[in-house]
Order: sequence, then C-alpha cells, then structure tokens
Amino acid sequence: AQKVTQAQTEISVVEKEDVTLDCVYETRDTTYYLFWYKQPPSGELVFLIRRNSFDEQNEISGRYSWNFQKSTSSFNFTITASQVVDSAVYFCALSEAPGSNYQLIWGAGTKLIIKP
Amino acid sequence: DVKVTQSSRYLVKRTGEKVFLECVQDMDHENMFWYRQDPGLGLRLIYFSYDVKMKEKGDIPEGYSVSREKKERFSLILESASTNQTSMYLCASKGGISNQPQHFGDGTRLSIL
Repeated sequence: AQKVTQAQTEISVVEKEDVTLDCVYETRDTTYYLFWYKQPPSGELVFLIRRNSFDEQNEISGRYSWNFQKSTSSFNFTITASQVVDSAVYFCALSEAPGSNYQLIWGAGTKLIIKP
Repeated sequence: DVKVTQSSRYLVKRTGEKVFLECVQDMDHENMFWYRQDPGLGLRLIYFSYDVKMKEKGDIPEGYSVSREKKERFSLILESASTNQTSMYLCASKGGISNQPQHFGDGTRLSIL
C-alpha cells in the first residue's frame, strides 16, 4: 500500500543553521510523483516542488534543495542558512499515476521552528 | 498563477445549521478537492470532483456533501453541522495531467458552536 512517512514531528533550529526534513515513501507503482508543500502559520498550503519517479536529479532553488533517492525511497528537503520566515509546517506527498484519481497521499507533516 | 479562492477565512455556525463552504478556481482545472485538517490527524480528503456534476468520496465523507454545477466552483455542504466538524477546511484544484500539483486556497477555519 502507498504511504508517506515524515518521522520528524517537530524540528527547532537557530537561524542560519542548515536543516533537513526527511520524507520516506512506499509505493508499488513504477511511475509516481512526489511533492513538497509549505504551510506557514497563516494556513494556506503552498506548492514547493514536484519530482517524477523517472527523474532522480536533485534540485536546488536558492536556499532550498531536494534529494530524491529511489534506492532508499526517500525525498528529503534541505534548507540552507535557515531564516525565521522558513518557520512553517512542511508536508511531503505522493501521487501514483494514472488510476489514482489524482489523489495525494500525505505525510503527517514536520513543524519547523526557526529561532532568531 | 493559479488562484483558488475560498469564500470565508473564518466562519462560526451553530449546531444543526446547514453550512456552505464555497471554492472557486480560475485556471479551468478539471479536478477539485475538499480536505479537512485537524491537529495530529494531518490532511484528510473529504470529497473530490474530476468534472462538472461528478464527485467521488474521499476518506471521510460522512456528514458532508458536495456540489459542482460549474467547472470553476466546488461547494462543500455540511447538511446539519455538528461540533465535531469544527476544523480547518482546505480546497484545492488541479489540472488534468497526473503530474500536476494541487493548488490550495487560503483555508476556512470553521467553528461549530
């Protein structure tokens, strides 16, 4: 069965530290998609990145980077030189294709607290 | 940019009332979703719709119904609100290609007194 595990419930770091959020997934499909979303205290869910199962290239966007490893079924998210504005709950999600009716399987989320 | 608009940011209703939560998207997306989010329970799918007048139950449809009369609008209905439906409700929309992300509205914090 498909599942997404974010084992870190809450992480607290001091500003400017690097921090990695872990995401481990389970799926029987060979084609699937992984997503990261950010939910700041205001409540809206903001899409950050999508990764296709056939593309294992890592990605960097400014201070954000993502490490996708099929061998360990992980899609980890690193924030470099963290800032207070990065404080949020971060969700990892999995979508299998096709036939899943486009539903997302969500992780429980990791609450990230960046202290000034 | 995709814009998903939920009609209310905060809403307070009374037990037994019929409650309507409205969601509108401006990207001509085929798929729309309603979730609720509760502390410790994460995001749970209530209903989704893949076309006008089409709907499918999610994980927790009990006590809810939905309506999609137009492509851009997806309504969540609490037929007779109860206190255990106090929650954060999130609407999302998504294009028809499987690898596209869901885009979310700002959410509605609903309190049932």
